[in-house]
Amino acid sequence: GDSVTQMEGPVTLSEEAFLTINCTYTATGYPSLFWYVQYPGEGLQLLLKATKADDKGSNKGFEATYRKETTSFHLEKGSVQVSDSAVYFCALSDPPSLARQLTFGSGTQLTVLP
Amino acid sequence: DGGITQSPKYLFRKEGQNVTLSCEQNLNHDAMYWYRQDPGQGLRLIYYSQIVNDFQKGDIAEGYSVSREKKESFPLTVTSAQKNPTAFYLCATSGLYSNTGELFFGEGSRLTVL
Repeated sequence: GDSVTQMEGPVTLSEEAFLTINCTYTATGYPSLFWYVQYPGEGLQLLLKATKADDKGSNKGFEATYRKETTSFHLEKGSVQVSDSAVYFCALSDPPSLARQLTFGSGTQLTVLP
Repeated sequence: DGGITQSPKYLFRKEGQNVTLSCEQNLNHDAMYWYRQDPGQGLRLIYYSQIVNDFQKGDIAEGYSVSREKKESFPLTVTSAQKNPTAFYLCATSGLYSNTGELFFGEGSRLTVL
């Protein structure tokens, strides 16, 4: 079956540091890939997405590239801020036309220190 | 404003009591979902509904029940049969045939069993 593996946290960085959160997946089909973010005490929000190989999703300075050859979708940001402190979830939708089929990783807690 | 409203945000329950969590949406989305979130475990699907008067069990449906009498509403009842109900519960919606599988989340309800 489908699965998503994320780098374990927690991750603690200083403000303006470079961020990478690794995500790899296994899927039987050709999935869409997502990063969701959850701020403390809130629900999840879509951060970015990519629907086909080599697509780059980007939002709020975060980027992730859909790499079919390595089945990866790593999240990066060049300079993190304290306000980026949250839990980040990698997810896939396979097949992409059925929203039911959304598989989440276990989440990575990010704390950014001033 | 368009969105998903979950209530209550915090709920305390004594063992042996049933409790119902509300989820209302005005996004005109066909599909609605309930997820359970536990620390370090990501999101697990409890129930989902793709159309009024129809719903399907997810991965961890035991001890829970739902109804879908209106398109806008998808309440979740946590019954006394649920052995470990303390958790953060998230309601989500999506367009039924969304070509990207994106989910939209409410802000969650935190249930604590005393």
